[in-house]
Amino acid sequence: SQQGEEDPQALSIQEGENATMNCSYKTSINNLQWYRQNSGRGLVHLILIRSNEREKHSGRLRVTLDTSKKSSSLLITASRAADTASYFCATDPPYNAGGTSYGKLTFGQGTILTVHP
Amino acid sequence: DGGITQSPKYLFRKEGQNVTLSCEQNLNHDAMYWYRQDPGQGLRLIYYSQIVNDFQKGDIAEGYSVSREKKESFPLTVTSAQKNPTAFYLCASSINHVNTEAFFGQGTRLTVV
Repeated sequence: SQQGEEDPQALSIQEGENATMNCSYKTSINNLQWYRQNSGRGLVHLILIRSNEREKHSGRLRVTLDTSKKSSSLLITASRAADTASYFCATDPPYNAGGTSYGKLTFGQGTILTVHP
Repeated sequence: DGGITQSPKYLFRKEGQNVTLSCEQNLNHDAMYWYRQDPGQGLRLIYYSQIVNDFQKGDIAEGYSVSREKKESFPLTVTSAQKNPTAFYLCASSINHVNTEAFFGQGTRLTVV
């Protein structure tokens, strides 16, 4: 089962515009992370936000987390053609969750972002 | 260079054969993961391991097997019991189960012919 679900599935914008992607998840989390994947390649880690944080910035990236709504958003400002890729959110359960699920890192379906020059 | 290496990049298998995908990391990470990705889809967790000689089933473990005899190695075997094995397989590692920022290999594309 997929823990995270991204929305929208695909997003097409012009260079210079902002891109916003959303992620919803189902169960309690330890962290929420965002990754980027260029076609046919491995994923690259972008940013991590802990369950006790509400907002985090890294360069042109801004991530928010609302644990009451079990949702997160990734904002890419002033987008560039090189930002064209798929973006995934990933979650892992609290490490005091017990059982064998600790460290189980699960990903959503992803958002395909296309930035037109 | 430190990193995580998957081999081979492309793999062709005949129906009914088992095949093993290699994943090696020199990051001294405790945790390792295997994911499957189908075209246009997200990543689905096959197996994960938090420590040597221990591993857990993910969400789609049926038809797959793993071993973790060494910290740096986490090979995945796709058995003949896996009904639809054609996919892109990704291996990842993280420091441990608390620090789960994952580093990924470049993937192995498996095709059944």
